[in-house]
Amino acid sequence: DAGVTQSPTHLIKTRGQQVTLRCSPKSGHDTVSWYQQALGQGPQFIFQYYEEEERQRGNFPDRFSGHQFPNYSSELNVNALLLGDSALYLCASSLNGGPTYEQFFGPGTRLTVL
Amino acid sequence: AQSVTQLGSHVSVSEGALVLLRCNYSSSVPPYLFWYVQYPNQGLQLLLKYTSAATLVKGINGFEAEFKKSETSFHLTKPSAHMSDAAEYFCAVSRYTGTASKLTFGTGTRLQVTL
Repeated sequence: DAGVTQSPTHLIKTRGQQVTLRCSPKSGHDTVSWYQQALGQGPQFIFQYYEEEERQRGNFPDRFSGHQFPNYSSELNVNALLLGDSALYLCASSLNGGPTYEQFFGPGTRLTVL
Repeated sequence: AQSVTQLGSHVSVSEGALVLLRCNYSSSVPPYLFWYVQYPNQGLQLLLKYTSAATLVKGINGFEAEFKKSETSFHLTKPSAHMSDAAEYFCAVSRYTGTASKLTFGTGTRLQVTL
């Protein structure tokens, strides 16, 4: 049983560019959450998707957007990249209606903005 | 609003010594509390969770934590440290709303284990 997978593993972009990160949830999970982890910090909640809609959102600007597909996989898009967007982006999957503690994390995508 | 505070950004112990990583929470409602471990260049792995059942929670790799409401604490302990325990540890809080809820993390504690 595959766990949460994310692609790509690493990514280098320049300021002003746009980036798309991808996540496939654990088998049987229908909810995907995204977190940003800056160097030396704890993960910060970006947003959560369920039934192809954004259900919760953290304190992130509209430059951060997402999408969930019918197969429950998800994308995180960041427009007009800033140097401060450099971070590890983590995807977590869970089952709607299930215990809130059952969130499984992927290995992350390391984004570097130059 | 819920939050957690991790006391000590770096903790160093000798192999075989007691590990104690501190976490205090702030929550207006009964919280769900978690400890995650992150090894270099990896994602987060759940060590253990408190979900209003037993106050002493046992997790993987010999770790355990005790929920103390009077002290608003959820400290992580392990009787005997191993070199493989060197990693970053995060405390997190959540609130069950009937749907999967977001996790709010602390700033992390880096555990160093020395010979």
